[in-house]
Amino acid sequence: AQSVTQPDIHITVSEGASLELRCNYSYGATPYLFWYVQSPGQGLQLLLKYFSGDTLVQGIKGFEAEFKRSQSSFNLRKPSVHWSDAAEYFCAVEREYGNKLVFGAGTILRVKS
Amino acid sequence: GAVVSQHPSWVICKSGTSVKIECRSLDFQATTMFWYRQFPKQSLMLMATSNEGSKATYEQGVEKDKFLINHASLTLSTLTVTSAHPEDSSFYICSAREAGWSPLHFGNGTRLTVT
Repeated sequence: AQSVTQPDIHITVSEGASLELRCNYSYGATPYLFWYVQSPGQGLQLLLKYFSGDTLVQGIKGFEAEFKRSQSSFNLRKPSVHWSDAAEYFCAVEREYGNKLVFGAGTILRVKS
Repeated sequence: GAVVSQHPSWVICKSGTSVKIECRSLDFQATTMFWYRQFPKQSLMLMATSNEGSKATYEQGVEKDKFLINHASLTLSTLTVTSAHPEDSSFYICSAREAGWSPLHFGNGTRLTVT
């Protein structure tokens, strides 16, 4: 069965600092990969997705993620974090398009001023 | 962009009663809708997948008689928590997609508290 691992439960960064949130997946083939953000008490917003092609994908709000097949990773990055980025971030995997999403446990991002 | 409206955003009910949560796609036709449950400080767990006009497919361990899902139209799916108990208290989120190569759109979730 496919699984998604987000090893960091909490991360705290200073405003203006760079950010990297880790995500590893286990699945035999290359799945479809997603990053979502969830503000407290809210639903999820799609930040970016990877289906194929260029392994560095750009998303909304200045986020990007890089797919590394050799490491089975899809880490999320942002060069300069803003206080409004404080939220919970979920990595998700979809085995084939139209199939169900499997979510990681989430990483809570705190931004200190 | 595509919007999924979920209602209510929060609900408190007494143990033993039933609660219905609605999920509507406002500007697109959703052939498939998904229902998730999220416990505090945990990830989303898929409960069931529903396709318009057919029975929902439940994930292992989800009681289909307790969590009734109806997807009667291309813009509406409902989740009814029957005979709710305090352990059913959770955050329930729906998502929807059009047919074909379209992304999932999520509702804002419903906070259910059973007293």
